[in-house]
Amino acid sequence: EAQVTQNPRYLITVTGKKLTVTCSQNMNHEYMSWYRQDPGLGLRQIYYSMNVEVTDKGDVPEGYKVSRKEKRNFPLILESPSPNQTSLYFCASSLGHDDSVYGYTFGSGTRLTVV
Amino acid sequence: GQSLEQPSEVTAVEGAIVQINCTYQTSGFYGLSWYQQHDGGAPTFLSYNALDGLEETGRFSSFLSRSDSYGYLLLQELQMKDSASYFCAVSPPSEAGTALIFGKGTTLSVSS
Repeated sequence: EAQVTQNPRYLITVTGKKLTVTCSQNMNHEYMSWYRQDPGLGLRQIYYSMNVEVTDKGDVPEGYKVSRKEKRNFPLILESPSPNQTSLYFCASSLGHDDSVYGYTFGSGTRLTVV
Repeated sequence: GQSLEQPSEVTAVEGAIVQINCTYQTSGFYGLSWYQQHDGGAPTFLSYNALDGLEETGRFSSFLSRSDSYGYLLLQELQMKDSASYFCAVSPPSEAGTALIFGKGTTLSVSS
């Protein structure tokens, strides 16, 4: 089944404790991205990657890191999480930058709480 | 800058037709997309308009007018399961250095 897999689904952590949210896709998509979703603010892009070893900042990159060492994986790293990073996070992938006819495929989301 | 405006909430009854508008300000884009998201779930792709005009997919249709910087999603024969949030999104040109930009979403509530 074609899908984007995120883990974990839920995470509660403490301020300052480094964490990684994993994202993997099995569709051989070149384009991957991370979004955070907060009430009233919609989906805001954190980082994106147009291909292996190519990453760039989105609209809200502060406090986050990413890497793209393999085509299928695009982990999101919070080196020192803070409470304002409490949010619902989505990983997405697509064939290309333009979502075109098939659109972006989203993972199931990771609900992160930083206390 | 680029921004998309949508109504925050829309209500309707089962069997009705509802139109969710999306106006945008952007210097250029590949196309206008629509996504559906049920509470807390993953957004799912509904439709894409690369060209002006109407695209129909079952009960859902989407429209784009680049000259008016406007698009809409039309949902017909509404069902309770259509209660969800709907997002319009644009794909900026790759030179812009970013990717799919979403509106803030419209919450559709369908009642019986």
